[in-house]
Amino acid sequence: GENVEQHPSTLSVQEGDSAVIKCTYSDSASNYFPWYKQELGKRPQLIIDIRSNVGEKKDQRIAVTLNKTAKHFSLHITETQPEDSAVYFCAARGDDKIIFGKGTRLHILP
Amino acid sequence: DTGVSQDPRHKITKRGQNVTFRCDPISEHNRLYWYRQTLGQGPEFLTYFQNEAQLEKSRLLSDRFSAERPKGSFSTLEIQRTEQGDSAMYLCASSKRTGSYNEQFFGPGTRLTVL
Repeated sequence: GENVEQHPSTLSVQEGDSAVIKCTYSDSASNYFPWYKQELGKRPQLIIDIRSNVGEKKDQRIAVTLNKTAKHFSLHITETQPEDSAVYFCAARGDDKIIFGKGTRLHILP
Repeated sequence: DTGVSQDPRHKITKRGQNVTFRCDPISEHNRLYWYRQTLGQGPEFLTYFQNEAQLEKSRLLSDRFSAERPKGSFSTLEIQRTEQGDSAMYLCASSKRTGSYNEQFFGPGTRLTVL
């Protein structure tokens, strides 16, 4: 069945540095790749997404890249800030349901 | 509040009891999804509806779980004969079916604890 692998499970970066989270997916029919941020005790919130006809998308300090051939996609956060500390989930959608990765807990160190 | 709402927010029950959760989607959204999230894991797909039709159920969903969306608006998720392994956060999400790429908006979740 469909599967989304996410790495690393935990990531600590110094404030101001960049963070990169990587995901792979198994369903070649997947055409939409959202990224969600979940703060402790809160609901997941969409922060950025990318569609299969695009290789890269950027929104201020956040960027996503997609390599459909390799079935890889990544989240890049630059100039990290304390409020970036959270759990980040990648996801892939084929058909109509979204399959989530297991999440990356990002710690921003002062 | 025009977002997705869920009720109750917390539910504590004894093993073997039945529980029912409710989700009210964003009013113009015709798609509604149920997920289960356990500590340290991503949301796990359970089932989804387009209007009142249940279009897919996860193979992981046992026969003790049932979901309905009778009028195409709110939805209920029932768990019968609860087990301790059912303890989790149950998330509902909704989206608007207008094309191939539709953001899902999540509700606050119902946290279930089975004693």
